[in-house]
Amino acid sequence: GAVVSQHPSRVICKSGTSVKIECRSLDFQATTMFWYRQFPKQSLMLMATSNEGSKATYEQGVEKDKFLINHASLTLSTLTVTSAHPEDSSFYICSARQNNSPLHFGNGTRLTVT
Amino acid sequence: GQQLNQSPQSMFIQEGEDVSMNCTSSSIFNTWLWYKQEPGEGPVLLIALYKAGELTSNGRLTAQFGITRKDSFLNISASIPSDVGIYFCAGGIMKTSYDKVIFGPGTSLSVIP
Repeated sequence: GAVVSQHPSRVICKSGTSVKIECRSLDFQATTMFWYRQFPKQSLMLMATSNEGSKATYEQGVEKDKFLINHASLTLSTLTVTSAHPEDSSFYICSARQNNSPLHFGNGTRLTVT
Repeated sequence: GQQLNQSPQSMFIQEGEDVSMNCTSSSIFNTWLWYKQEPGEGPVLLIALYKAGELTSNGRLTAQFGITRKDSFLNISASIPSDVGIYFCAGGIMKTSYDKVIFGPGTSLSVIP
């Protein structure tokens, strides 16, 4: 149980374009989803927290207009990196939680901006 | 802000040896989580702890929620090559579904066959 699917697993895009990453909870309803970013050899840094049907809460230093988060249903959240630049290249990981259960993570999306 | 310290930063051990790593916080937590991450993948939950003093096992893995509520330990017995990866602790005060946890910097484990 508690499977989180993230798509795509890998994406390469040109600078200035936008990229959408999907996160789905497959066998449970995720009351809350979290988006993390991880740079090589570093820990996970929380970007934002989203609850279904409400606006995401962004961590300090994370641009909400650049990283658009939509949590349209209890099983789907999307992260759109708008006008991507090479410095946005990173490993983006979503996680989902049902009520107070532990976080379960997707397999991550490796974004490379050329 | 809150920070987690995790030690050791890295470990190189012989197959069959036991492993011990720990995580400390500057704040009291009510939840400690241990994850393992392999290259190119997301973290996988190993053990979740919710009560001070709690000791929980998952196969060869055992984790404990420290009495002070500011630390947690993870032990791996009789290590095998597939134990290789980065182990992250995460902790926080979780009362509602949107309460967040913070992650430690990770312990990189290498097992020499």
